[in-house]
Amino acid sequence: NAGVMQNPRHLVRRRGQEARLRCSPMKGHSHVYWYRQLPEEGLKFMVYLQKENIIDESGMPKERFSAEFPKEGPSILRIQQVVRGDSAAYFCASSPNQGRGASGANVLTFGAGSRLTVL
Amino acid sequence: GENVEQHPSTLSVQEGDSAVIKCTYSDSASNYFPWYKQELGKGPQLIIDIRSNVGEKKDQRIAVTLNKTAKHFSLHITETQPEDSAVYFCAASSNSGYALNFGKGTSLLVTP
Repeated sequence: NAGVMQNPRHLVRRRGQEARLRCSPMKGHSHVYWYRQLPEEGLKFMVYLQKENIIDESGMPKERFSAEFPKEGPSILRIQQVVRGDSAAYFCASSPNQGRGASGANVLTFGAGSRLTVL
Repeated sequence: GENVEQHPSTLSVQEGDSAVIKCTYSDSASNYFPWYKQELGKGPQLIIDIRSNVGEKKDQRIAVTLNKTAKHFSLHITETQPEDSAVYFCAASSNSGYALNFGKGTSLLVTP
């Protein structure tokens, strides 16, 4: 069981370039979440996706950021025209199903993260 | 939105001592409270979690307590070891039921 796989582990971009971060969920998991971690901060929820569907993107900036989880292949977090403030660690997590209500949220398994540096 | 406060931000203990990290949350609808351990350069790893129908849960040297009335929960690590040194994050489920709101983390250092 390879766990949640993220790549690249480190990415350096100049201002104005595009960044693409990829995430392959754990085997058997069909739900993907993206979180952002700024230095010395906790993780902030960005977006929750299922295959071919964005369920909740309330934590994602309205501009320049987009996410997808196609039928085939990994989930992609795309940041267009990066700025220095986008420098952060971006973590992907997956879960086997969606838990809501009395049963509570699902257990999330996180990947090792992708660290984006914008020069 | 949900606000999760975590204290202390740093904690240094001697090997063998206990460590306690406390968190408070604001959303009374939160019903799932996981704790994650993050080592340098790695992703957060779930170490223990508790749901709102339980007041306390223990797993070997780690225990978590939950007080829903006061809206706070705590992580207790007994007989600490140097390999326990890491950043620990508490989290609380949001009213969406799936997104987690994280505290800012506690950097724990266990000295031999």
